[in-house]
Amino acid sequence: DVKVTQSSRYLVKRTGEKVFLECVQDMDHENMFWYRQDPGLGLRLIYFSYDVKMKEKGDIPEGYSVSREKKERFSLILESASTNQTSMYLCAIGQGASNYGYTFGSGTRLTVV
Amino acid sequence: GENVEQHPSTLSVQEGDSAVIKCTYSDSASNYFPWYKQELGKGPQLIIDIRSNVGEKKDQRIAVTLNKTAKHFSLHITETQPEDSAVYFCAARGGSQGNLIFGKGTKLSVKP
Repeated sequence: DVKVTQSSRYLVKRTGEKVFLECVQDMDHENMFWYRQDPGLGLRLIYFSYDVKMKEKGDIPEGYSVSREKKERFSLILESASTNQTSMYLCAIGQGASNYGYTFGSGTRLTVV
Repeated sequence: GENVEQHPSTLSVQEGDSAVIKCTYSDSASNYFPWYKQELGKGPQLIIDIRSNVGEKKDQRIAVTLNKTAKHFSLHITETQPEDSAVYFCAARGGSQGNLIFGKGTKLSVKP
């Protein structure tokens, strides 16, 4: 099974800072996803990527960007962090070309103060 | 696009009772329906899934049923235990290579 590693479990940043959240997989899967999770709102898709250098907007991309320079690494960037971006961020890997059975990382709890 | 509704949002049961969580989906082309369990402080983990050519699937105390005509699917947990307490998410995959669309989650509490 693929292992998904998110670089930080907890992060505290100041308003206006540029924030990088990293996600690394230990296999060769093409499909990678970034979600944010908020109480009562479930999992909302921010961005996804089906291959290196490729990115697609999800449902809530505003205020975020992503980078996929290598197949195993998918980075989520908060260009100028704001308090409404305080959330749990989850990275997921879709296994196989048909996107069956996502594997999630443990999440990064980001607090913007 | 696909839309997934999940009910209830919270569910409290006594240990040993059964728990049922229901989801409906909108896209009749959806063909894959996984369920995830998220324990406190962890990412969601796949616990069971079903594809559209199957009506029911069981794995020990958990089962999933799918009604394609009505476009709904359900998670059944029998003989619940305190360690079943978690947030459960249903999801549906639209089309041949679509992304998973998640329900908003159900917080299950199993009281000893």
